[in-house]
Amino acid sequence: AQKVTQAQTEISVVEKEDVTLDCVYETRDTTYYLFWYKQPPSGELVFLIRRNSFDEQNEISGRYSWNFQKSTSSFNFTITASQVVDSAVYFCALLSGGYQKVTFGTGTKLQVIP
Amino acid sequence: GAVVSQHPSRVICKSGTSVKIECRSLDFQATTMFWYRQFPKQSLMLMATSNEGSKATYEQGVEKDKFLINHASLTLSTLTVTSAHPEDSSFYICSARDTTRISSYEQYFGPGTRLTVT
Repeated sequence: AQKVTQAQTEISVVEKEDVTLDCVYETRDTTYYLFWYKQPPSGELVFLIRRNSFDEQNEISGRYSWNFQKSTSSFNFTITASQVVDSAVYFCALLSGGYQKVTFGTGTKLQVIP
Repeated sequence: GAVVSQHPSRVICKSGTSVKIECRSLDFQATTMFWYRQFPKQSLMLMATSNEGSKATYEQGVEKDKFLINHASLTLSTLTVTSAHPEDSSFYICSARDTTRISSYEQYFGPGTRLTVT
């Protein structure tokens, strides 16, 4: 079985603050992919990043960065200098090689206050 | 590349009628597509896995006679909500796997269809 836990249901920050969204996953497979998606109020899922289980390098893309720690089964997402346009629901997701189905976390709603 | 479209983006139907939602992979072949449902303020829940040329595999608790899935070609899967009721109102999202890639773990999501049953 596979499971994704996003313990933070809702987070509010003031614009320009940094914010980290937590994601903890469970899987018995050694080959798996982790994803982050952004879902703005329009509803469309916006792909942010994919990371495979063999690549533990952290990644930075502009104001976004991701910290993948296999030792703690976590794949956290940090937004630096948050902006109002970052307000959305963010989903962490897991796809295991053996399971072949994507499991989504419950999502974290981020509200950036101007 | 790897674009998935859904049609319609929004649909309103009366209770008791049926509505069909299309999911298309525009620039790749997808022998496998997935249908998800998302209720307001909730996560995406997998409903079924659609396989080209064969019957869909439904997740536990999903009524296969109510949610008819047809995957007749490598680029099109359809979800028909039969005899829709207000409780079927939801956001339906499909995804498609590019099976021509060696590592076919990638799934590409459509923009979703918001169904409202009145």
